[in-house]
Amino acid sequence: DAGVIQSPRHEVTEMGQEVTLRCKPISGHNSLFWYRQTMMRGLELLIYFNNNVPIDDSGMPEDRFSAKMPNASFSTLKIQPSEPRDSAVYFCASSLQGRGSPQHFGDGTRLSIL
Amino acid sequence: AQSVTQLGSHVSVSEGALVLLRCNYSSSVPPYLFWYVQYPNQGLQLLLKYTTGATLVKGINGFEAEFKKSETSFHLTKPSAHMSDAAEYFCAVSEAGNNRKLIWGLGTSLAVNP
Repeated sequence: DAGVIQSPRHEVTEMGQEVTLRCKPISGHNSLFWYRQTMMRGLELLIYFNNNVPIDDSGMPEDRFSAKMPNASFSTLKIQPSEPRDSAVYFCASSLQGRGSPQHFGDGTRLSIL
Repeated sequence: AQSVTQLGSHVSVSEGALVLLRCNYSSSVPPYLFWYVQYPNQGLQLLLKYTTGATLVKGINGFEAEFKKSETSFHLTKPSAHMSDAAEYFCAVSEAGNNRKLIWGLGTSLAVNP
């Protein structure tokens, strides 16, 4: 079975540029999560969707960050403009409905803002 | 509100020794608990979970965890460490209700010495 697919795996760009991270969840999963992981702050939930609808975006750092889920098989996380402090590994995860359903993670996008 | 505390950000054991990673939680409702493992440059993957029923839960790679309500703990153990167990381990508790959100611990880095 295909897992959660994220692209790109690595992104290096200059400060001020727009960055778009992409995620394809596991087919049939109806919850999708975006996380950010850094050494300083650990694993942070940025936003999550249920049935393509954003439910909780309280973890989105500021207006420079936006996320969309136009359909059940695709989501994007966009940073515009990017800043060096946005450098981190960004993970996408998906799960089935239900409180006990585990989240399945992609391999992440390692983002470096110069 | 739910919370998770992982005691010890770094644990070091010898190959063949017992692995014990500690996790304590707080929850206003019966908890659903998870352990995930993260290998270098990879996403998190589920080791095991507790929802209801038997309090001793077995997972992949020889790991197990025991839910102890009286101690609000869900410690992860493995009788004999292998070099391949070196990784970051995360404990998480599911929020109450229909929410799919997980509350994460800060992680414990496990080193296995030859």
